[in-house]
Amino acid sequence: DGGITQSPKYLFRKEGQNVTLSCEQNLNHDAMYWYRQDPGQGLRLIYYSQIVNDFQKGDIAEGYSVSREKKESFPLTVTSAQKNPTAFYLCASSGTSGIKSYEQYFGPGTRLTVT
Amino acid sequence: QKEVEQNSGPLSVPEGAIASLNCTYSDRGSQSFFWYRQYSGKSPELIMSIYSNGDKEDGRFTAQLNKASQYVSLLIRDSQPSDSATYLCAVRSNFGNEKLTFGTGTRLTIIP
Repeated sequence: DGGITQSPKYLFRKEGQNVTLSCEQNLNHDAMYWYRQDPGQGLRLIYYSQIVNDFQKGDIAEGYSVSREKKESFPLTVTSAQKNPTAFYLCASSGTSGIKSYEQYFGPGTRLTVT
Repeated sequence: QKEVEQNSGPLSVPEGAIASLNCTYSDRGSQSFFWYRQYSGKSPELIMSIYSNGDKEDGRFTAQLNKASQYVSLLIRDSQPSDSATYLCAVRSNFGNEKLTFGTGTRLTIIP
């Protein structure tokens, strides 16, 4: 089955610790994205990558870092510099050619709680 | 002004009726428009995409796009309790840019 997987589903960390969220896709999509969702605020873009070894900051990149060493994988690290890291994190991917190239498909998400 | 605006709701519709969800956007250069359904605690699921003016139908769902008025809507016919969810509107603004801008969503409740 083609799809996007995120792990873990729930993650608990102490304040001051870095944490890495996993995102893997087998849809052969070139582009991958990380969003953060807080109650009542919709989805906000953290980082995105349109090709391997390249990525761009989104609207709220401060306190986050990413890498894109493989087409299938786009891990997100939430660093201790992120002031309010508790949120629902969503990974998405999309193709880059054809009529459906801008349709983004989401993974199941990781709910991060930092105390 | 927000780039993509939706009425947050909640919108309550009787079972079997038509639910109408609206979305307006600010960038006249917007190219692609999407509707996602998100159940509570779950991730968004793409249900409709529309790229040109007019209507696009898929089963009980119809997306309507009016670029001159800068709005896109989603109609759900014969609403079912399973349609109760938050519906997110997303817009791709810049040609060649794959970023989507999301509205904050409209919470829809179908009343049995």
